[in-house]
Amino acid sequence: RKEVEQDPGPFNVPEGATVAFNCTYSNSASQSFFWYRQDCRKEPKLLMSVYSSGNEDGRFTAQLNRASQYISLLIRDSKLSDSATYLCVVVYSSASKIIFGSGTRLSIRP
Amino acid sequence: NAGVMQNPRHLVRRRGQEARLRCSPMKGHSHVYWYRQLPEEGLKFMVYLQKENIIDESGMPKERFSAEFPKEGPSILRIQQVVRGDSAAYFCASSPQSSGSYNEQFFGPGTRLTVL
Repeated sequence: RKEVEQDPGPFNVPEGATVAFNCTYSNSASQSFFWYRQDCRKEPKLLMSVYSSGNEDGRFTAQLNRASQYISLLIRDSKLSDSATYLCVVVYSSASKIIFGSGTRLSIRP
Repeated sequence: NAGVMQNPRHLVRRRGQEARLRCSPMKGHSHVYWYRQLPEEGLKFMVYLQKENIIDESGMPKERFSAEFPKEGPSILRIQQVVRGDSAAYFCASSPQSSGSYNEQFFGPGTRLTVL
């Protein structure tokens, strides 16, 4: 079993839709969680951190469920510019062990 | 403040040659990470370095691959005797000095290595 798993997608949704995807992790010692966004043939960029209490940044909401060992990303009122691959990142307590998921591809259609 | 710089952006090598990939971290950043990304796959951690020290190289193949981050100059990822399976995008990321917790990593644009 992979340490961090994501549904690869692609998720193909119409503009304005709400879309959500999860990322599961296997190691309960995981300490920190993040979502990165990667556009085609570009470098990943930090989208948002994921806090235990859940956090929101505009149209984006991230949540953490430690009991079930997954994090989620919800995108409301999706825009064409949201089309990208979304990578979840899990950091273990040493802070030097950083695991990226394989990414979920999202495509927003007009 | 320039971001993370990587060069070359594209590198073509024939099987058996050596590839040298360079990464200059953001100003003030003392931590460098190297990742490999195969087509249609996620990033795979390779190595984590601080100046003159390798902190974690658990993701590095045991043979042909080496990395350094000297006191002066960029970090270098070196691949000897390249094979076709080494073809990938290699990303470097840097972060500021760690206080024991994770600091955001800023990624460079990557080097796309093609082995003929």
